[in-house]
Amino acid sequence: DAGVTQSPTHLIKTRGQQVTLRCSPKSGHDTVSWYQQALGQGPQFIFQYYEEEERQRGNFPDRFSGHQFPNYSSELNVNALLLGDSALYLCASSWTGGETQYFGPGTRLLVL
Amino acid sequence: SQQGEEDPQALSIQEGENATMNCSYKTSINNLQWYRQNSGRGLVHLILIRSNEREKHSGRLRVTLDTSKKSSSLLITASRAADTASYFCVFSGAGSYQLTFGKGTKLSVIP
Repeated sequence: DAGVTQSPTHLIKTRGQQVTLRCSPKSGHDTVSWYQQALGQGPQFIFQYYEEEERQRGNFPDRFSGHQFPNYSSELNVNALLLGDSALYLCASSWTGGETQYFGPGTRLLVL
Repeated sequence: SQQGEEDPQALSIQEGENATMNCSYKTSINNLQWYRQNSGRGLVHLILIRSNEREKHSGRLRVTLDTSKKSSSLLITASRAADTASYFCVFSGAGSYQLTFGKGTKLSVIP
């Protein structure tokens, strides 16, 4: 049973560029959440997708957007990258009503 | 801020000793969870305790929750070098789907 998978594992971009990160949820899960983890900090909630719609959003600007596909996989898009967007981006999946979220290994983004 | 706070920020112990980490939070919660993160295995769920529970055990882990003090503790007994990781107190509030993480406690278990 495959767990949550994310791609790519590492990414280097320059300021102003756009990036797309991808996530496949754990088998049987229909809900995907995205988190940003800066170095030395705990993960911060970006948003959650369920039934292909954004269900809840954290305190992140509109430059951060997402999408969920019919197969429950998800993308996180970040436009107009800033140096401060450098972080580990974590995807987590769960099933509706489940209290526990299962995390992928993350995508480490470096913005130069 | 709704963020939880773990204490201590860092902890170093010898293999075989017990490790205790504490967490405080400010808001009403549905449940509280503890996660572990290390470079090898990523962020892993350890245990969940609901707001109407006071104590829970899982293997070498013991979690307590005091909702009147808005605090929780995680005890790891007979620690092993493989327990070296950052431990996060994580909670979700009523009506919220997000998990709120603290800054974590960095545990080092010395062989």
